[in-house]
Amino acid sequence: DVKVTQSSRYLVKRTGEKVFLECVQDMDHENMFWYRQDPGLGLRLIYFSYDVKMKEKGDIPEGYSVSREKKERFSLILESASTNQTSMYLCASSSDGWGKEGTEAFFGQGTRLTVV
Amino acid sequence: KQEVTQIPAALSVPEGENLVLNCSFTDSAIYNLQWFRQDPGKGLTSLLLIQSSQREQTSGRLNASLDKSSGRSTLYIAASQPGDSATYLCAAISGAGSYQLTFGKGTKLSVIP
Repeated sequence: DVKVTQSSRYLVKRTGEKVFLECVQDMDHENMFWYRQDPGLGLRLIYFSYDVKMKEKGDIPEGYSVSREKKERFSLILESASTNQTSMYLCASSSDGWGKEGTEAFFGQGTRLTVV
Repeated sequence: KQEVTQIPAALSVPEGENLVLNCSFTDSAIYNLQWFRQDPGKGLTSLLLIQSSQREQTSGRLNASLDKSSGRSTLYIAASQPGDSATYLCAAISGAGSYQLTFGKGTKLSVIP
């Protein structure tokens, strides 16, 4: 089974801290994604990466950056955490571009981040 | 831009009932449609993936159908159980070379013992 693992289930950070959320997948997938999920807003794409060292902005990249130094690992960075970044963060991976039939998305267990 | 809608937002049924969850999308040029389950405070678990060339997929008590022409997908759950209580999300992938899944906001299902 594909496994996408996020390093933390729960995090509490202070305003202004630099925060790292880590995600690792074990299926040699090309593509990795970071979403945030908020009540009433659903899932929104923050960033994605289709190859090592490659990254693309999603719908809401402001206040975030990402790093993909190795194929299996995709990190989300909050440069200076703010209270409006309190959210559930979800990492996902897929084997091919989603313009290809049959490509399936696999998600991690989520990280609940609270910024105080 | 693709939009995905799930109605109703919440559904409560007695144990043992068969039920249907609905998902509609605006752009029929989709590649895949995927159904997920999310338990409170957890990540998304993939349930079924329907490719655009398929009309339905089955896994155990779950059956998902896809009608591109009408812009609809349904998830049928047979003989519902309290353990089926969760939020169910559908997501569509559309557009050549697209890397973006477009999610509905989900239907929260409660199965009452």
